[in-house]
Amino acid sequence: QKEVEQNSGPLSVPEGAIASLNCTYSDRGSQSFFWYRQYSGKSPELIMSIYSNGDKEDGRFTAQLNKASQYVSLLIRDSQPSDSATYLCAVGRGRGAQKLVFGQGTRLTINP
Amino acid sequence: GAGVSQSPSNKVTEKGKDVELRCDPISGHTALYWYRQSLGQGLEFLIYFQGNSAPDKSGLPSDRFSAERTGGSVSTLTIQRTQQEDSAVYLCASSLARTEETQYFGPGTRLLVL
Repeated sequence: QKEVEQNSGPLSVPEGAIASLNCTYSDRGSQSFFWYRQYSGKSPELIMSIYSNGDKEDGRFTAQLNKASQYVSLLIRDSQPSDSATYLCAVGRGRGAQKLVFGQGTRLTINP
Repeated sequence: GAGVSQSPSNKVTEKGKDVELRCDPISGHTALYWYRQSLGQGLEFLIYFQGNSAPDKSGLPSDRFSAERTGGSVSTLTIQRTQQEDSAVYLCASSLARTEETQYFGPGTRLLVL
C-alpha cells in the first residue's frame, strides 16, 4: 500500500462545473495536509493547506479533511480551463519543518 | 522578493560521471529540502536541512547521493557515478520552519543521464 494514494486520472470536467479530487493516506499520525498544483514542465505551487478535520475554503477552492477515514479532498468550484494541471496531495507527520510524502498526482483537464 | 533558485536548469551527463546541483533558498528561510520527480511520478523526498540540526537524510536512495548546506543558505546536491535511473527533475524547496508553514519550490534541475 502506498503511503499517499491518488487516482492518477485523467479527470475531465466541463468548464463551470465542480472538480473533486481525492487522496487517502496510510499514516494515522499525519497532521499536515497539502494540495499542490503543478502545470506541465513547472514546479509545484501550494493551493491549500489543512490541519484540522472539516472544511477549509479559499476562493473557489475547498479542502476537506477526515482524519478518522484518512482522506483529504480538494473541490474546485466554477472550474476554469486555467485549472487544468496535475494536482499533488502531500502529507506530513508534524506541523513544522518536515519531509512531505506526495501522492502520484491527479491530472485534471477542464474542457471549455 | 526572489523565490527559490536552482542551477543548472538542465544537465546532461554521461553514465558514471559526477554531477552537482545547486539550490539557493528564499532569504531568511531556515529549512531547505530536496525532492526528485521522475517522469509522470509524484515527488520523492531526498533530504532536508533545518537550521543547525543534523540533516534528515532518510530519503537518499544510495550512498552515491550526498548534500551539504553551507552557511545555512545555499545547498549542493551531489550525485556520484551517475546511473540512468538517476534521470529525473530535482526540486529544491525552502520554508520558514514555523508551525503550519509552506514549502516553496524552485524551478528544478532536469537531469538526464545518458
